[in-house]
Formats: sequence, C-alpha cells, structure tokens
Amino acid sequence: DIVMTQSPDSLAVSLGERATINCKSSQSVLYSSNNKNYLAWYQQKPGQPPKLLIYWASTRESGVPDRFSGSGSGTDFTLTISSLQAEDVAVYYCHYGYTFGQGTKLEIK
Amino acid sequence: QVQLQESGPGLVKPSQTLSLTCTVSGGSISSGGYYWSWIRQHPGKGLEWIGYIYYSGSTYYNPSLKSRVTISVDTSKNQFSLKLSSVTAADTAVYYCARAIVVVPAAHNWFDPWGQGTLVTVSS
Repeated sequence: DIVMTQSPDSLAVSLGERATINCKSSQSVLYSSNNKNYLAWYQQKPGQPPKLLIYWASTRESGVPDRFSGSGSGTDFTLTISSLQAEDVAVYYCHYGYTFGQGTKLEIK
Repeated sequence: QVQLQESGPGLVKPSQTLSLTCTVSGGSISSGGYYWSWIRQHPGKGLEWIGYIYYSGSTYYNPSLKSRVTISVDTSKNQFSLKLSSVTAADTAVYYCARAIVVVPAAHNWFDPWGQGTLVTVSS
C-alpha cells in the first residue's frame, strides 16, 4: 500500500509570511504515459468539506489564489503559501490514488 | 457548476447496513468522463477513500473496505449510493460524496467537487 507522509503535522506562521508543507509518497506518483505527477492538494476549513487546490502537483484549480503553489516530482512534493492570509487557516492534505496524507494543521502565529 | 448532496440516516445500529445517497445537480452522471466517489472522515481524523463508480456501473473499492462496500448508480435519478454492511462504532464518520477525475482507477485521480458531508453515527 502507498503511504503519503506529510510534514510537519502542524505549523504556525505569521500573517504575510511563507508557509511550506511537505508530502512524501512511498512510491512514485508519476504516470509515465503522460509524464504527469498525480499528486493533489486539498484545503479543509473547520466544518467544511475538503476543497481541491492543486492537481498534477503544480496546477492550481480555477479560482485558487496564486499565493498557493505546488512543486515536486516523483515522491517528494511541496505546497507553498507565499504570503499567509487569515483565511488560509485550515488543514491541508496531499493525495495520491486512494491514499491521503495525515493532514497538516496551519495556524496563525 | 456541479453540486453534490449526501442524504441518509444519521444513526445506524451496530451490525446493520449503512445506506447513503448522493444527489448530483448541475451536471449529468450519465454524460460520462467522471467517476462518482464516496470518502469518509472519522471525527477529528484524516480522509479515507471508500470507492467510486462510473455511470456504466464499473466500480473500484478501497481494499480495506471492499468486503463490506457496495456502490451503485441510478442515472435516471442522477444519484449514486453507498451501502456499508456490518457496521461497528469504527464506521462512525462524516461521509462525503465527490466527483472524481480518473485517468487510472485507484491510482491517477483527484476529487472535485465534494458534497458538504453527512455525519453517520453507529450506536445502539
């Protein structure tokens, strides 16, 4: 079974500062047929369902602010929020296949 | 845009079968191109994919739940459903339905959008 491991489990960042969340897969998420990494990131605010932020590791879903960016390939990926806003407080999950990471709770310092 | 809404009993007794329905609006299940999924979240915990179905009836299930799960589709009602048998307290969770963009089932896919979720409690 694939294991998705996020780090850190929780993170406190000052408003306007950069937040970085890492995700490591136990096996490659690269689909060789189209050379795309099928790694997705979701944001879940309290009491709400998860919302897709990024797919193909680095493609922002329509309507997602450009302060959110994804990077990485193969087994190692990063979600970066370039300038943290108050509304970004949430739990963030990475996802591949039928496995989600354990989540990273992002708070304001 | 496509919206999904879960419905069903909020309380199920142990050993019984949990049954939920997801109604899709703003798009047709039978138009193809997407799979239709169930995902759950135990209280205060992470996300667990249960399975998904294509409009043709093809299904894929999480191996850890496969023996207890049935997902079906009713294209005439634009709905799909989840049945989870022999439930225990460990099945208490918020159950979400979601649309899946699938290239390779159970591998290369993502979920968007999601329904609001419904809490199902297993208790006598």
